[in-house]
Amino acid sequence: ETGVTQTPRHLVMGMTNKKSLKCEQHLGHNAMYWYKQSAKKPLELMFVYSLEERVENNSVPSRFSPECPNSSHLFLHLHTLQPEDSALYLCASSLDRASSGNTIYFGEGSWLTVV
Amino acid sequence: GQQVMQIPQYQHVQEGEDFTTYCNSSTTLSNIQWYKQRPGGHPVFLIQLVKSGEVKKQKRLTFQFGEAKKNSSLHITATQTTDVGTYFCAPQNQFYFGTGTSLTVIP
Repeated sequence: ETGVTQTPRHLVMGMTNKKSLKCEQHLGHNAMYWYKQSAKKPLELMFVYSLEERVENNSVPSRFSPECPNSSHLFLHLHTLQPEDSALYLCASSLDRASSGNTIYFGEGSWLTVV
Repeated sequence: GQQVMQIPQYQHVQEGEDFTTYCNSSTTLSNIQWYKQRPGGHPVFLIQLVKSGEVKKQKRLTFQFGEAKKNSSLHITATQTTDVGTYFCAPQNQFYFGTGTSLTVIP
């Protein structure tokens, strides 16, 4: 139990589908993140939200659309993805966005396969 | 985005051998964190280093922050199969992670 819960854990979707990944944190944190992890690649930061405001968008294609309705929930809406988007998508949170000493807590991830 | 380089990218060791991974930045870091990701798992926080030249130990793991605060290392003494995984450094205030070192321990 990490305090950061992601659903679904596994998702298979076609290239024309629309799906969403959900993340919920129970740690009282103010910052939430989406990371992408592909095979043999480092963790790639996608989005950062601080107090429900998007503060960083790391050149992510528009087929990925984040939503942060409140400080405890974060969504990643997926639309017309490509097979190369298949990866592990990790949600994370930290107390504040960029203060010294913040530990980043990760969820267990959502394995996405695009067919 | 900013990233720090880690070397080596992969390391295979016999159980009982030592292992070291290095994290190098071109800029001075305010602090650095280390994370471990087991195969099939998610990254988990190990430790944070803040002071120049700081050395911290966790059982068989020794973490060091360089004097210039541009590099850091993680050394594991007498590796065990439970040490298998990918080790990431993360310069804080940036929330970007290093490229990672994948450790395989051969029984």
